[in-house]
Amino acid sequence: KQEVTQIPAALSVPEGENLVLNCSFTDSAIYNLQWFRQDPGKGLTSLLLIQSSQREQTSGRLNASLDKSSGRSTLYIAASQPGDSATYLCAVRDDYKLSFGAGTTVTVRA
Amino acid sequence: NAGVTQTPKFQVLKTGQSMTLQCAQDMNHEYMSWYRQDPGMGLRLIHYSVGAGITDQGEVPNGYNVSRSTTEDFPLRLLSAAPSQTSVYFCASAKEGRPQETQYFGPGTRLLVL
Repeated sequence: KQEVTQIPAALSVPEGENLVLNCSFTDSAIYNLQWFRQDPGKGLTSLLLIQSSQREQTSGRLNASLDKSSGRSTLYIAASQPGDSATYLCAVRDDYKLSFGAGTTVTVRA
Repeated sequence: NAGVTQTPKFQVLKTGQSMTLQCAQDMNHEYMSWYRQDPGMGLRLIHYSVGAGITDQGEVPNGYNVSRSTTEDFPLRLLSAAPSQTSVYFCASAKEGRPQETQYFGPGTRLLVL
């Protein structure tokens, strides 16, 4: 059974600092890994999707890396802003199922 | 495109009542799924479908039924609501194929069972 862990569970940083969010998974036989953002009381918004054959994906200030053999992914958010405050979830896809971590709740202080 | 839509946004049920959570997508996606989200836990898969007429169980299917009569709609039925089913329910869809595509999520339905 795939287990997905996100550490830390919560993170508070001053505005402008770079964010590093970690995700680990136990079974490396995945199709892809997806990072989502969730605002309080809202649904999930997809940020980045990394296919199993890729090492990283970038979108604006966001960069996600994937090391499938070690079961790890890292989401980097450069020059954080108060608007980046949210919960970030990673999910791995194996066959027809997404397995989610519990998320990292980020607070960016102005 | 409206994307993935869910109704209702919020519902209160009494133990033993039944209800259907609605989910629809207008992106012609083959794959649709239902998740529940509980505090401190990741989202957990309830049921999924890879096309009209095809459904399968996920990680936590007990107490829930699904059907997929059209590509667009994937309703989730609670047969006899229990307090343990108090949760936020999310529907998701994706285009199937290789490479795997991004999953799109609806805004969620908050369910309280008394």
